[in-house]
Amino acid sequence: AQSVAQPEDQVNVAEGNPLTVKCTYSVSGNPYLFWYVQYPNRGLQFLLKYITGDNLVKGSYGFEAEFNKSQTSFHLKKPSALVSDSALYFCAVRDIATGGFKTIFGAGTRLFVKA
Amino acid sequence: DADVTQTPRNRITKTGKRIMLECSQTKGHDRMYWYRQDPGLGLRLIYYSFDVKDINKGEISDGYSVSRQAQAKFSLSLESAIPNQTALYFCATSPGDSNSNQPQHFGDGTRLSIL
Repeated sequence: AQSVAQPEDQVNVAEGNPLTVKCTYSVSGNPYLFWYVQYPNRGLQFLLKYITGDNLVKGSYGFEAEFNKSQTSFHLKKPSALVSDSALYFCAVRDIATGGFKTIFGAGTRLFVKA
Repeated sequence: DADVTQTPRNRITKTGKRIMLECSQTKGHDRMYWYRQDPGLGLRLIYYSFDVKDINKGEISDGYSVSRQAQAKFSLSLESAIPNQTALYFCATSPGDSNSNQPQHFGDGTRLSIL
């Protein structure tokens, strides 16, 4: 069965420092992987995705993520955090072996960037 | 204007009442989804629809029903609301390709409280 784990409920980082939000996954086949961000009183917004190819994918607002097949991880990163990056982040996986129509979301990680 | 619109944005009601949450989209997507979000649990799929004639149960469909009135409209009903259905509800859409690698697009949610 598909699953997604975000091991940290909250990540705290100082503005200007690099940030990492962790995600590991389990699927039976090859995954499509996504990161979304949620700001207060808003729906989830797409940040970036991994489909195939280069393991480092770049997305919106300066975020990037690294796909690691051997560790089944897809960690979200940003070289220099901004206070405005403070939000709730969700990792999601879609298993294309099962038709690719169901997306499983992690529990979310709250990022807090301190000025 | 928002691509995915949910109404109402907030609703407080009593146990036993029938409630309908509505979702409309202007993205022209075939697939629509209803999720609920609970703290620490991420998003869980309630129902999904691949087109007007195709409705499928998600992982937590008990106590809920849906109607796909048109390609652009997908409503969620709670026939007899109970307090543990208090949550944040999201509608989402995605393109209709069966192996789609495209992200989902979310509405801003309906905050539902059942007393």
